Amino acid sequence: SQQGEEDPQALSIQEGENATMNCSYKTSINNLQWYRQNSGRGLVHLILIRSNEREKHSGRLRVTLDTSKKSSSLLITASRAADTASYFCATAVNNDMRFGAGTRLTVKP
Amino acid sequence: DAGITQSPRHKVTETGTPVTLRCHQTENHRYMYWYRQDPGHGLRLIHYSYGVKDTDKGEVSDGYSVSRSKTEDFLLTLESATSSQTSVYFCAISESIGGNYGYTFGSGTRLTVV
Repeated sequence: SQQGEEDPQALSIQEGENATMNCSYKTSINNLQWYRQNSGRGLVHLILIRSNEREKHSGRLRVTLDTSKKSSSLLITASRAADTASYFCATAVNNDMRFGAGTRLTVKP
Repeated sequence: DAGITQSPRHKVTETGTPVTLRCHQTENHRYMYWYRQDPGHGLRLIHYSYGVKDTDKGEVSDGYSVSRSKTEDFLLTLESATSSQTSVYFCAISESIGGNYGYTFGSGTRLTVV
């Protein structure tokens, strides 16, 4: 069963705008990860945030984690057409990792 | 997808036939996983391996078996394919259990059971 649930299910924005995706989960976690999946491809690991961290940056990506609310957000700044993909959050609980159903991001040129 | 390859990339098979999917890694990672991806379900774990000949079941293991005779190869077998096993199958590898360092995924195998 899914642990993380992404919101929204789909997001469409213009190039240059920021994109924010959210992930909610149900149980305590060791860490939370975000992945990107381009059409017809496998998932690519973007960023990992540990349960004792609140914010993490990687290039144009910013991830926040609020363990009290059991939620995380992924912000992509200055989006590009190449950012068009599905984005998944994954929660690591003990020795298990569970993936959400993803947010489909479309960036229009 | 460097360091991990899946074969075949696409396969169409008939109901009731056995099917084997292969995952090959060159990273020498201890942990290997098989997931299936279906619309609305995200990725669901089928089986995983924590070493040569060491495997365990995931949440959707019924109808599937796995084998790992070498560090680099992890095979997924559908003993008797059913239409409900039509899906995209992904193999993943990791250095540690539980995703402490993230997973690396293969490009997937699209399986259609007719």
